[in-house]
Amino acid sequence: TQLLEQSPQFLSIQEGENLTVYCNSSSVFSSLQWYRQEPGEGPVLLVTVVTGGEVKKLKRLTFQFGDARKDSSLHITAAQTGDTGLYLCAGALGSGNTGKLIFGQGTTLQVKP
Amino acid sequence: DTGVSQDPRHKITKRGQNVTFRCDPISEHNRLYWYRQTLGQGPEFLTYFQNEAQLEKSRLLSDRFSAERPKGSFSTLEIQRTEQGDSAMYLCASSSRVGREETQYFGPGTRLLVL
Repeated sequence: TQLLEQSPQFLSIQEGENLTVYCNSSSVFSSLQWYRQEPGEGPVLLVTVVTGGEVKKLKRLTFQFGDARKDSSLHITAAQTGDTGLYLCAGALGSGNTGKLIFGQGTTLQVKP
Repeated sequence: DTGVSQDPRHKITKRGQNVTFRCDPISEHNRLYWYRQTLGQGPEFLTYFQNEAQLEKSRLLSDRFSAERPKGSFSTLEIQRTEQGDSAMYLCASSSRVGREETQYFGPGTRLLVL
């Protein structure tokens, strides 16, 4: 059972288009992180969201944490070829003292020129 | 470079051999995590250290796997009698909790191929 469902799993769009990636769960997370990963490399942190309803912006990327802290979205405006990569959401359940992350299966984004 | 480093970056071994990976976390971080990632999947949690204490192990971590963090700084992950199913990317992450917020920073990973 996948605790965090990411959708879509694959996305191929033209440069300049907008897109949204969704991350959904039935579990409540104490925090949620979005990462971007290049082939053969480790995930690179994009943002951490902690408060329900929180919205964070990073240039053309907008991240939202659901009010109930069970879901999140990543919206990219005017995608560029450099945005190509694997996008991962990861939630911390916050049970006990461990901060271990539960990852979604990832969204592979291809932005074509 | 003050990020998380891992060594080696790539390892090819034959089935049945033992392998050991090293992770050097960000120096001020007291928490260290190991994850495993197979192709097309997100990383899966393996184990977690706070300082030198190993506080949690996933049931994915069979008795062929052992991890240490002897002085609360670098960590090693050893796999004994490797199997082809162990082929994966092994990722290390470190963090330092501030209040309710904790952000994990990942190393570049060690890609293991078991022939």
